[in-house]
Amino acid sequence: NAGVTQTPKFRILKIGQSMTLQCTQDMNHNYMYWYRQDPGMGLKLIYYSVGAGITDKGEVPNGYNVSRSTTEDFPLRLELAAPSQTSVYFCASSYPRTDGNTIYFGEGSWLTVV
Amino acid sequence: KNEVEQSPQNLTAQEGEFITINCSYSVGISALHWLQQHPGGGIVSLFMLSSGKKKHGRLIATINIQEKHSSLHITASHPRDSAVYICAVSRTSGSRLTFGEGTQLTVNP
Repeated sequence: NAGVTQTPKFRILKIGQSMTLQCTQDMNHNYMYWYRQDPGMGLKLIYYSVGAGITDKGEVPNGYNVSRSTTEDFPLRLELAAPSQTSVYFCASSYPRTDGNTIYFGEGSWLTVV
Repeated sequence: KNEVEQSPQNLTAQEGEFITINCSYSVGISALHWLQQHPGGGIVSLFMLSSGKKKHGRLIATINIQEKHSSLHITASHPRDSAVYICAVSRTSGSRLTFGEGTQLTVNP
């Protein structure tokens, strides 16, 4: 049981390049999330999904796209990378219960845009 | 004003001290989470609570729904407790979380 796995862990991109951050979970969780964390700041929600085929914008979706074709996978696509997208990205998943839901995070992906 | 406010932002303690981190929120919630983020970035869920108190080892989390306030206590603190502690709330079951900005805790030997 690997939990939430995200790749790559580190990446340097040039301005204007594109890339995909991969995220997969093996806990059969309905809910998956992508967050970014800027230095000294709290986690900000980029996109989330409540199930396969359903995605929705979070607080800071501009410059990103997601898809959810399976329950397990929730990739985050960066198109035309900009320095403002330099950040640490976390994928997370959870399973809704009536008494709340524990959330599980991936290890994080450090992205630098130069 | 952020919906979730934590205090203090930074906290330095000596090994063995009793530590309290506070979290106040301004919206109705279904659950409050305490998370721990170690240097190197990994985030781990410590507690999820909607009422009362929970205890796990040296960690205790309490919540007062009427006052919209939660506290995380660490008894007999240890240098390995050094981390960022994050409070987060969810408004409905299973919904996305709103995070506080975290409290950087450093425990010196």
